Amino acid sequence: QSALTQPASVSGSPGQSITISCTGASSDVGNSIYVSWYQQHPGKAPKLMIYEVSNRPSGISNRFSGSKSGNTASLTISGLQAEDEADYYCSSYTSISWLFGGGTKLTVL
Amino acid sequence: EVQLVGSGGGLIQPGGSLRLSCAASGFTFSEFYMTWVRQAPGKGLEWISSISGSSRTIDYADSVRGRFTISRDNAQKSVYLQMNSLRAEDTALYYCARSSYASGWSLDSWGQGTLVTVSS
Repeated sequence: QSALTQPASVSGSPGQSITISCTGASSDVGNSIYVSWYQQHPGKAPKLMIYEVSNRPSGISNRFSGSKSGNTASLTISGLQAEDEADYYCSSYTSISWLFGGGTKLTVL
Repeated sequence: EVQLVGSGGGLIQPGGSLRLSCAASGFTFSEFYMTWVRQAPGKGLEWISSISGSSRTIDYADSVRGRFTISRDNAQKSVYLQMNSLRAEDTALYYCARSSYASGWSLDSWGQGTLVTVSS
């Protein structure tokens, strides 16, 4: 299976909203509710931000939201803050294996 | 508090072997699938292998199948990754992570990573 497709980079100013897309195929993103998103700051381990397409784990700000349409999942971050600057990865789970996107670097201007 | 602590990484020559360990605490280890994910320097995340709580279900990425073996010891609350026939392209930071149906099969907790460098 090929990696999921994400834009290499996105940027936004503090207070703005941005959306990161994650495009797969009907065999993964398109046919799975198990899409998740991870945030990774430099030198740190990834952190779960969204699971099952749109659910937030306890402790994750409601500024983070997820959605899916067809073969494309999206992560939206509203009210951008400086600490949101990080790499973001989407993932689709299918039968004990995880397929990741290539990652998107978010820059807060 | 959930903790996953990886160890066992290091510098190894091509063709060599290494065994990574991940010690878990703060949760009922046997109830969770455990997974290894790696990240080559400056690159993205790559799923490597997963094992069910009972060890009955195991899977590997094509890139490591036949060379890597995942195992776990629920009494020791640890998961392992035996890596044989190592190649330069296996150089990466290796993370262990847990998942379950309850978390929507997401990787909801990660270790700090252990670095494997394959070089002569």
